[in-house]
Amino acid sequence: AIRITQSPSSLSASTGDRVTITCRASQGISSYLAWYQQKPGKAPKLLIYAASTLQSGVPSRFSGSGSGTDFTLTISCLQSEDFATYYCQQYYSYPPTFGQGTKVEIK
Amino acid sequence: QLQLQESGPGLVKPSETLSLTCTVSGGSISSSSYYWGWIRQPPGKGLEWIGSIYYSGSTYYNPSLKSRVTISVDTSKNQFSLKLSSVTAADTAVYYCARHPLDTARETPKYFDYWGQGTLVTVSS
Repeated sequence: AIRITQSPSSLSASTGDRVTITCRASQGISSYLAWYQQKPGKAPKLLIYAASTLQSGVPSRFSGSGSGTDFTLTISCLQSEDFATYYCQQYYSYPPTFGQGTKVEIK
Repeated sequence: QLQLQESGPGLVKPSETLSLTCTVSGGSISSSSYYWGWIRQPPGKGLEWIGSIYYSGSTYYNPSLKSRVTISVDTSKNQFSLKLSSVTAADTAVYYCARHPLDTARETPKYFDYWGQGTLVTVSS
């Protein structure tokens, strides 16, 4: 199975900050990567797929980039509702696998 | 608006079989454009894909769980189901059902775009 290493595991930031989260795949996955946001007690919510395509209804302050093995999720101007845990997921090959998550906390 | 809802026992004894059903509303499970999957999340931990099914009954399973997992579909009820046998405390988790679009070029499922709210299943005697 393809391993996904996500970093950092947690970060502290303030409202208005620019935040970057990275995922590295153990082998090339082209652009078959998705990003999710999960708030406590809730199901994950799809933010981005195909590495950089914003899901309908997701604010434009979220963006994704990368291909091959290295990927980035950027939140350009952190809002209060963005404090959550973020996961990446590869769907290049089966089984689909997730990163271990990045918790974005209030500084 | 598509909705998915998990249902089933919240407590299962060790060595028994965990059974959950996902009911889909606001859309047809028989759509040729989607697979339907199960994902779980142990308390305080990350996400693990369990398996997925197409309306025709075609399935993909996680190799790490394959020997214990059966996923089935009932198109007449717009439902799909999960059975996980020989459970242990390590199977305690929130179980989610979700939809994933089909990659028509590669004929494989992709990311998960709609999720149920999740249901906590505890394995304990």
